[in-house]
Amino acid sequence: SYELTQPPSVSVSPGQTARITCSGDALPKQYAYWYQQKPGQAPIMVIYKDSERPSGIPERFSGSSSGTTVTLTISGVQAEDEADYYCQSEDSDGFSHVVFGGGTKVTVL
Amino acid sequence: QVQLVQSGAEVKKPGASVKVSCKASGYTFTDYSMHWVRQAPGQGLEWMGRINPYSGGTNYAQKFQGRVTMTRDTSISTAYMDLSRLRSDDTAVYYCARDAPGGYGMDVWGQGTTVTVSS
Repeated sequence: SYELTQPPSVSVSPGQTARITCSGDALPKQYAYWYQQKPGQAPIMVIYKDSERPSGIPERFSGSSSGTTVTLTISGVQAEDEADYYCQSEDSDGFSHVVFGGGTKVTVL
Repeated sequence: QVQLVQSGAEVKKPGASVKVSCKASGYTFTDYSMHWVRQAPGQGLEWMGRINPYSGGTNYAQKFQGRVTMTRDTSISTAYMDLSRLRSDDTAVYYCARDAPGGYGMDVWGQGTTVTVSS
């Protein structure tokens, strides 16, 4: 079955830049989405269609895509950005099955 | 405002079934697909499937085929997820999430429903 691969953890100091990668063979053909989840809360979408930012999401969140890897970048990290981040996409075998990456814990030092 | 409100926590015995509801408000229910996603304690997000509320058409993850049924009642703007033959590893928080057409992603999520499977 199709998989998306993320690093388990990323640590960053306040004000610095955090980059979270997500790799998958179908990413050149399918859009990627990013969700932020804080403990005890439902996820919220921070990036859609690889690089678009929903209204209300701070400009420090951005997304990019290159080949089989997509990247979520948090510029000028703030303490409130400490959370789990999940990438999401779909397979490209015609079944339109959704898949999530394993998640990346972002720790603000 | 747009919101999805899920039913309350459930405790079930192994082998039983559970039905979780997700009531939509603030938008046209039939215009958006609804996904169901679960999260076991300390684990990541796992996609279970989706339903098109307009047609009733469904698309299930292979892992849950034969055990999950997703339905909807358009008269009350509510989606349902029924999971049968429960096991202890089905203990999780279950979320519904609206999917905007045109690839705009899961933009609104329910608050989650905790399902505990224990003998």
